[in-house]
Amino acid sequence: QKEVEQNSGPLSVPEGAIASLNCTYSDRGSQSFFWYRQYSGKSPELIMSIYSNGDKEDGRFTAQLNKASQYVSLLIRDSQPSDSATYLCAVALFSGGYNKLIFGAGTRLAVHP
Amino acid sequence: ETGVTQTPRHLVMGMTNKKSLKCEQHLGHNAMYWYKQSAKKPLELMFVYNFKEQTENNSVPSRFSPECPNSSHLFLHLHTLQPEDSALYLCASSQDRGFDTGELFFGEGSRLTVL
Repeated sequence: QKEVEQNSGPLSVPEGAIASLNCTYSDRGSQSFFWYRQYSGKSPELIMSIYSNGDKEDGRFTAQLNKASQYVSLLIRDSQPSDSATYLCAVALFSGGYNKLIFGAGTRLAVHP
Repeated sequence: ETGVTQTPRHLVMGMTNKKSLKCEQHLGHNAMYWYKQSAKKPLELMFVYNFKEQTENNSVPSRFSPECPNSSHLFLHLHTLQPEDSALYLCASSQDRGFDTGELFFGEGSRLTVL
């Protein structure tokens, strides 16, 4: 069983729409969850973190966490073509005395004008 | 500019060659990592160094040999690689290996092609 699962996409949305990206994870003990964005040919960069059940908003981005369902999502409101990228879900797994980040394979988002 | 610099950005090598990837971070961090990114696969953690000491070797074949001479520099020495080792190799750093904030700072990566 994969530790962090994401739909590979591509997820295609029109400009101005809401993009919804989903992620499930297998380790019930995970406490910290992150979304990274990776533009084509570039390195991943952290855009959101969430630690508690519920929603966390930052500008046009909202992260949602449901630990009971082992589910994390990222909503992007008013999507722009510049949001076109691969979004990586990452979960912190406590192993060997420290936290280790486990990444999903990523969902490719394409926002078309 | 993330403060993590990787060289070379592109590398083509034969299976019998020996080459090295270099990573340097200017962030004052104590932990450094090597990740492998293959198409449509999750980022794979290869090695973790904390204060120059290797704290994780994620069952990586011995044809990959890491070296961390100080907290700012990390190398990945490559020899007798296989074509399936072709991938993007990402270096990252964090304040320490606990990274409770989850923030890793990645370099731009070294794209490796093994012929």
